[in-house]
Amino acid sequence: DTAVSQTPKYLVTQMGNDKSIKCEQNLGHDTMYWYKQDSKKFLKIMFSYNNKELIINETVPNRFSPKSPDKAHLNLHINSLELGDSAVYFCATRGQETQYFGPGTRLLVL
Amino acid sequence: KQEVTQIPAALSVPEGENLVLNCSFTDSAIYNLQWFRQDPGKGLTSLLLIQSSQREQTSGRLNASLDKSSGRSTLYIAASQPGDSATYLCAVDYSGGYQKVTFGTGTKLQVIP
Repeated sequence: DTAVSQTPKYLVTQMGNDKSIKCEQNLGHDTMYWYKQDSKKFLKIMFSYNNKELIINETVPNRFSPKSPDKAHLNLHINSLELGDSAVYFCATRGQETQYFGPGTRLLVL
Repeated sequence: KQEVTQIPAALSVPEGENLVLNCSFTDSAIYNLQWFRQDPGKGLTSLLLIQSSQREQTSGRLNASLDKSSGRSTLYIAASQPGDSATYLCAVDYSGGYQKVTFGTGTKLQVIP
């Protein structure tokens, strides 16, 4: 069983579109995160979400919004996509001090 | 500014060799430091986590050390194998909840059979 899963694995879209990436975890962890990994492999935290408390990295544009329908899911919505949004987006959870990462969603904005 | 640097950016070694990967951080007020492995096209897998009060952690052929005063951590891999080939990332957590986590840019390791 995959502990942290993401869909889709690949996403190719046009500038200006709105898209969502889904994340699901079966670990029962309370805290989930979204990370962005750019073309230089630099990984940066975007959001952390714990018991309905959202902590946002101040550098993240407000076009990005996480939404958690339940404890096992944290989806990422992106409005008005831009070329610079092209990256790999990782969902992660936290349990016992360790983070568990999903396989990533590779987003390409044309 | 909290920066995390990993040197070298890439490393190629013959199978069986022992090797050391380095991670340096500018702010020593850390909560913990974690080493991850990332395989091509995959997510990150946690290898070792060191709390700020600890000096080292070991798992199998891996040993990670932490020296807060000098702002350094090392990941030692003994008797390297081709399956160890991957990118290794260190991540410094300053908050205890990963709200303020800074990743290094990674060291890409290739172990040649």
